[in-house]
Amino acid sequence: AQRVTQPEKLLSVFKGAPVELKCNYSYSGSPELFWYVQYSRQRLQLLLRHISRESIKGFTADLNKGETSFHLKKPFAQEEDSAMYYCALGSGNTGKLIFGQGTTLQVKP
Amino acid sequence: NAGVTQTPKFQVLKTGQSMTLQCAQDMNHEYMSWYRQDPGMGLRLIHYSVGAGITDQGEVPNGYNVSRSTTEDFPLRLLSAAPSQTSVYFCASITTGRDYEQYFGPGTRLTVT
Repeated sequence: AQRVTQPEKLLSVFKGAPVELKCNYSYSGSPELFWYVQYSRQRLQLLLRHISRESIKGFTADLNKGETSFHLKKPFAQEEDSAMYYCALGSGNTGKLIFGQGTTLQVKP
Repeated sequence: NAGVTQTPKFQVLKTGQSMTLQCAQDMNHEYMSWYRQDPGMGLRLIHYSVGAGITDQGEVPNGYNVSRSTTEDFPLRLLSAAPSQTSVYFCASITTGRDYEQYFGPGTRLTVT
């Protein structure tokens, strides 16, 4: 079964500390993985996708097929990074996404 | 471009009432989806469409109907609202291929009493 697991509901760090938001997936095939971010009372927006291997707002994520993980990392958290983060798994080319439960990142001053 | 728009922003219904959540996109995307967002559950796919006249069920379709008569519009109908349908509903319009991305609307916050 296709599944995305984000084990942490809440991650609280101080400004300047490193951040790692965990994401594990279950998928038989070549996964398409994404991170979406939702700032307070705003719509979800794409943060990054594994296929493009880009860094957005200082965040990176590496696909580890052996560990079936796609953890989101940032070396130095900023207060404006406080938001809800969702890991998502794409299902082929159907347009369907399977989302994890979400992790709230709280960056304290 | 307005992107993806949703109306209404907020709605309160009584149990048993019906209503339609509107979603429109001006990006000429073939694919569109409806999700519901609940605390601790993430977003769950209700229905999706790969083009005008073509729809399919997602993970949690019960109690909801959709139709896609035009590329632009993808309304979601609640047939007989139940308290379990209290949620935030997001519509998404989707590009496919290498630049795959889902563009989300601002959401509709629905409360069923």
